[in-house]
Amino acid sequence: GENVEQHPSTLSVQEGDSAVIKCTYSDSASNYFPWYKQELGKGPQLIIDIRSNVGEKKDQRIAVTLNKTAKHFSLHITETQPEDSAVYFCAASRTNAGKSTFGDGTTLTVKP
Amino acid sequence: DTGVSQDPRHKITKRGQNVTFRCDPISEHNRLYWYRQTLGQGPEFLTYFQNEAQLEKSRLLSDRFSAERPKGSFSTLEIQRTEQGDSAMYLCASSLSASMGYGYTFGSGTRLTVV
Repeated sequence: GENVEQHPSTLSVQEGDSAVIKCTYSDSASNYFPWYKQELGKGPQLIIDIRSNVGEKKDQRIAVTLNKTAKHFSLHITETQPEDSAVYFCAASRTNAGKSTFGDGTTLTVKP
Repeated sequence: DTGVSQDPRHKITKRGQNVTFRCDPISEHNRLYWYRQTLGQGPEFLTYFQNEAQLEKSRLLSDRFSAERPKGSFSTLEIQRTEQGDSAMYLCASSLSASMGYGYTFGSGTRLTVV
């Protein structure tokens, strides 16, 4: 089955700096890669996703890159703000399958 | 639509008791998923439905767990003869199905504590 590894497990940055979280996956047939943000006491919230037919996607301060050859994808947050502090999860799935496999999360702390 | 609703938010039960959780998905979504999350881990897949059909169940899921989605609307997850290892956050999510994938909308979860 699919295995998703996520690094780092914790990340602390100063407000205004950039943050990068990296994930690798094992199933070469995976073709859909979402990222979720989870705040305390809440369920994960989809923040951005990328499909295998593109290499990069950007939405304001958030961007995701995908390298299918190397089987890794990354989340980039620029100009970080204290409200970006949360746990971030990457996931991978085959679009003809129902389930996603999640990484173990990165706790991001943005210091004011 | 108010998103995905889960009930109850918290459940404390004694070992050996049965518990049932409910999930109401976004009405337009035909897929519904159950995941389990323990502290410091990502969500772990349990099972999913497309409309009323249960299409996949995790091999890790013991036969004490059962889920239903009658009429393709809300879903229930029942755990029989609970064990302390069942203590976790149980997350429900829903999505549209599409050839290129859709992200999930998660509920806030039901936190189960087995004492």
